[in-house]
Amino acid sequence: AQSVSQHNHHVILSEAASLELGCNYSYGGTVNLFWYVQYPGQHLQLLLKYFSGDPLVKGIKGFEAEFIKSKFSFNLRKPSVQWSDTAEYFCAVRGDKLIFGTGTRLQVFP
Amino acid sequence: DSGVTQTPKHLITATGQRVTLRCSPRSGDLSVYWYQQSLDQGLQFLIQYYNGEERAKGNILERFSAQQFPDLHSELNLSSLELGDSALYFCASSVGESGTQYFGPGTRLTVL
Repeated sequence: AQSVSQHNHHVILSEAASLELGCNYSYGGTVNLFWYVQYPGQHLQLLLKYFSGDPLVKGIKGFEAEFIKSKFSFNLRKPSVQWSDTAEYFCAVRGDKLIFGTGTRLQVFP
Repeated sequence: DSGVTQTPKHLITATGQRVTLRCSPRSGDLSVYWYQQSLDQGLQFLIQYYNGEERAKGNILERFSAQQFPDLHSELNLSSLELGDSALYFCASSVGESGTQYFGPGTRLTVL
């Protein structure tokens, strides 16, 4: 069965700290991978996506993610977070259907 | 702004009632998806329509139903509402049957 897990439920960082949010999935076939962000009180917005090609994907607002097929992972990274990055981050995987992880709440303090 | 619109923004109703949520997809998108987001269940996929036809079903209760009209807008009908149905309901759209999904602003439903 297809599944996706986000290990970090709540992450607290200071501005300028580096960020890495974990995402692992299970599925036997080809997958498409996504990271969405939900700012407080707003709807989900697409940060980045991976369909094929270069496994290092660059998204908006300085975010990037790396698809490591052997580890079934698609971790989200940002070298230096800002207060405005405070939001909830969702990893999503599409195998035979699109499934979202439970989300990681990121709080960035100035 | 993703181009997906949802109405109403907020809805407050009582248990046992029926409500209809509306979604207009981005121009050119043929697929519409419905999701429920609650604190305890997270983001749950409910149902997908593509060009007027049901394509996929997720964790949608029998009390809930949806349809997509010829102009491609979609409605989600929730009936015999229970307290536990209080949640954010998101609509998303994509160009094809399995393209990148773009989300609307959501409808916050409160059942009292």
